Amino acid sequence: QKEVEQNSGPLSVPEGAIASLNCTYSDRGSQSFFWYRQYSGKSPELIMSIYSNGDKEDGRFTAQLNKASQYVSLLIRDSQPSDSATYLCAVNEIGYQKVTFGTGTKLQVIP
Amino acid sequence: GAVVSQHPSWVICKSGTSVKIECRSLDFQATTMFWYRQFPKQSLMLMATSNEGSKATYEQGVEKDKFLINHASLTLSTLTVTSAHPEDSSFYICSARGQGRGTSTNEQFFGPGTRLTVL
Repeated sequence: QKEVEQNSGPLSVPEGAIASLNCTYSDRGSQSFFWYRQYSGKSPELIMSIYSNGDKEDGRFTAQLNKASQYVSLLIRDSQPSDSATYLCAVNEIGYQKVTFGTGTKLQVIP
Repeated sequence: GAVVSQHPSWVICKSGTSVKIECRSLDFQATTMFWYRQFPKQSLMLMATSNEGSKATYEQGVEKDKFLINHASLTLSTLTVTSAHPEDSSFYICSARGQGRGTSTNEQFFGPGTRLTVL
């Protein structure tokens, strides 16, 4: 069974700090990796997608992928209170329609 | 690009009635749509996967006769909760994946969700 593991948190960081969110996955055949942000009471919003090993940067967000270690992370630089949300890691294996979601990490940015 | 809408955003109905929720991809063709359910403070739970023109594939434990899914076009999927009961009260969210401006092969884009309350 495909599994995606995340620490549920809450992860508390002070405003302006770097928030580091981690995710591990069990299926070595996974090829596509996604980070979603979900505010309380709202639906998930796609932040980043990453497909190859290394770093991918988009504004204050950096996704990091290490397929050998089956590990994907999301770094949020200069964290803001508005970044406080639950961050969902999602993994997809080519040839499979379904994306497997982690249970999410709750991030709290303290002003 | 890659906008998904849902209608209605919230609905209250009496026990025993049926409720239809629409999910539309506004600026891309959704070859695959997914329906999720989320209870308060819990994770997303995938209910079913639907491909345009095909029958939906339901997850284990989801009653296909209770949750009717239709994906008749590349921009519209509907979820009908039949004979709704209070335990069906939840946040129903669709997502879509497909082809078009602003999308990449495997990216899923979520609709804003529909909050269903069954009295």
